[in-house]
Amino acid sequence: EAGVAQSPRYKIIEKRQSVAFWCNPISGHATLYWYQQILGQGPKLLIQFQNNGVVDDSQLPKDRFSAERLKGVDSTLKIQPAKLEDSAVYLCASSLGDAYEAFFGQGTRLTVV
Amino acid sequence: AQSVTQLGSHVSVSEGALVLLRCNYSSSVPPYLFWYVQYPNQGLQLLLKYTSAATLVKGINGFEAEFKKSETSFHLTKPSAHMSDAAEYFCAVTRAGGQLTFGSGTQLTVLP
Repeated sequence: EAGVAQSPRYKIIEKRQSVAFWCNPISGHATLYWYQQILGQGPKLLIQFQNNGVVDDSQLPKDRFSAERLKGVDSTLKIQPAKLEDSAVYLCASSLGDAYEAFFGQGTRLTVV
Repeated sequence: AQSVTQLGSHVSVSEGALVLLRCNYSSSVPPYLFWYVQYPNQGLQLLLKYTSAATLVKGINGFEAEFKKSETSFHLTKPSAHMSDAAEYFCAVTRAGGQLTFGSGTQLTVLP
């Protein structure tokens, strides 16, 4: 069974530029999460989707971050404009539902310079 | 609100020695608790989970954890460390809806 796919694996951008990350969850998984992991910290939830609807985006900095889940499958997370403090690993995870184990992708490491 | 605290950001053990990684939780409701492992440049892999069944939970790679409600703890142990166990370990608790709240992580170093 294929796992959660994320791309790109690495991205370096200058501050004030925009960037987008892509996630393809495990087939059939209705729930999709985006987490932000800053160096030396545990992952922090940014947004949760159930199919193509947002369940919780209370910790998403909406002035610069946006996310969508097209047709309830793939998802993109965008940052515009990026700040230095956005340097982190962005992890995507998916599960069959909110009561099931979440499977994580390898993450996208973003460096903002 | 739910939270977890991992005591010790870095733990070093000798190969073959006992591994003990500490996690304390705070939760207003019976929690679901998890341990994840993260190898360099990789995502998170589930080691084990507690979901209010048996208090002693066995996971992959010889790891286990014991849920102690009186101590609000969920410490991770392994009787004999292998070099391949060197990684970062995260304790996590669920919020409503399946969202995970993670601790700050413990980096495990295994010395030859």
